Amino acid sequence: EVQLVESGGGLVQPGGSLRLSCAASGFTFSDHYMDWVRQAPGKGLEWVARTRNKANGHTTEYAASVKGRFTISRDDSKNSLYLQMDSLKTEDTAVYYCARDRRASVTGWGGDAFDSWGQGTTVTVSS
Amino acid sequence: AIQLTQSPSSLSASLGDRVTITCRTSQGISSALAWYQQKPGKPPKLLIYDASTLQSGVPSRFSGSGSGTDFTLTISSLQPEDCATYYCQRFLSYPLTFGGGTKLEIK
Repeated sequence: EVQLVESGGGLVQPGGSLRLSCAASGFTFSDHYMDWVRQAPGKGLEWVARTRNKANGHTTEYAASVKGRFTISRDDSKNSLYLQMDSLKTEDTAVYYCARDRRASVTGWGGDAFDSWGQGTTVTVSS
Repeated sequence: AIQLTQSPSSLSASLGDRVTITCRTSQGISSALAWYQQKPGKPPKLLIYDASTLQSGVPSRFSGSGSGTDFTLTISSLQPEDCATYYCQRFLSYPLTFGGGTKLEIK
């Protein structure tokens, strides 16, 4: 059974930093693209960042709203995904989900979708 | 960036009704679209990918159609457990934008 478990959320002051983790199990982690998605209170879903699989060199993509402040990374030996969040703003307050792209061991596009999600970890940025 | 417009933002329907939600993109994305269902306090659940492929385990009353810029999620016969918010999401280029969501309520 695929499982994704986030941790690391909490209360942080504006300008501060936080590191989120996502522990994966039940599948070959290194084969899959992995993403972070967030949801501000009472709002819709916002894609945050992506790290490609091992075959694609773990390259990354970011939403414009977080580029230069957030860093996505992964450790395939630990089946773990991370999100380093720096220079946090009040508008970064949200539930952060890690999500798995359903495709394994492929490159390019085709059949993409997030088929597994964690339960989320809450980040609150407030003074 | 490609814009994604989902409509309606909310709707109310009766049990057994056929329900349709639409998603429109500002540029063509072939069939690179997914649909999700989200219930309060829960993560989203994948329903449809590649615009029309039903995810394993999802009831057959859910279906998706469309390509290019216009897409549709249809629930053929509304059930009580379908009360949720539905989101579309596009792929094929970055950012991987989500639609604004459609909150579906039962009359």
